Amino acid sequence: EADIYQTPRYLVIGTGKKITLECSQTMGHDKMYWYQQDPGMELHLIHYSYGVNSTEKGDLSSESTVSRIRTEHFPLTLESARPSHTSQYLCASRLGKAGNNIYFGEGSWLTVV
Amino acid sequence: QQQVKQSPQSLIVQKGGISIINCAYENTAFDYFPWYQQFPGKGPALLIAIRPDVSEKKEGRFTISFNKSAKQFSLHIMDSQPGDSATYFCAVPNTGTASKLTFGTGTRLQVTL
Repeated sequence: EADIYQTPRYLVIGTGKKITLECSQTMGHDKMYWYQQDPGMELHLIHYSYGVNSTEKGDLSSESTVSRIRTEHFPLTLESARPSHTSQYLCASRLGKAGNNIYFGEGSWLTVV
Repeated sequence: QQQVKQSPQSLIVQKGGISIINCAYENTAFDYFPWYQQFPGKGPALLIAIRPDVSEKKEGRFTISFNKSAKQFSLHIMDSQPGDSATYFCAVPNTGTASKLTFGTGTRLQVTL
């Protein structure tokens, strides 16, 4: 059972609002990831981190930003939400060694109206 | 950037039948090759993974077949059950970066009674 937690699970928010999606893991994993997934569709990597104070953009361009001040915490922020940001956001983590599994959280469903 | 092609997009199999999902990638990769299972409203969960120096791995009803030279691998679900109905994603390590995965487009499997 993976110990990676995302909050909120569901969020409906108005256009222009600032939101932060929280992600925490208690496994001591050094690498963390944010994926974006539309319902029933593929996962797209939007951000990743190799460790504290290290963040990189993923393969899919995103207007969101991330921070990694503590090993266990990897929040994602949208400064001004738009309807195009409506999607599911999945946080994941991995112990940085070849062959180790990536564990996913349950996801945060964001709807911008 | 790794390119991954997964097929079929959807699959309907009768209970007790064999489900086969295929995945092909473009760039040589050296880390584990996993398959993930995702139920609606949940994050993906690791189902089975194979090392690149092995041609087949079996865990219960699930088998991965891996063809390194053809850059293809497949998931076989024997004696498919209604509880196997889910979306399945293959994943391939990004070239040169063992910590990131590129996911296939997903296969929606439905197992009928």
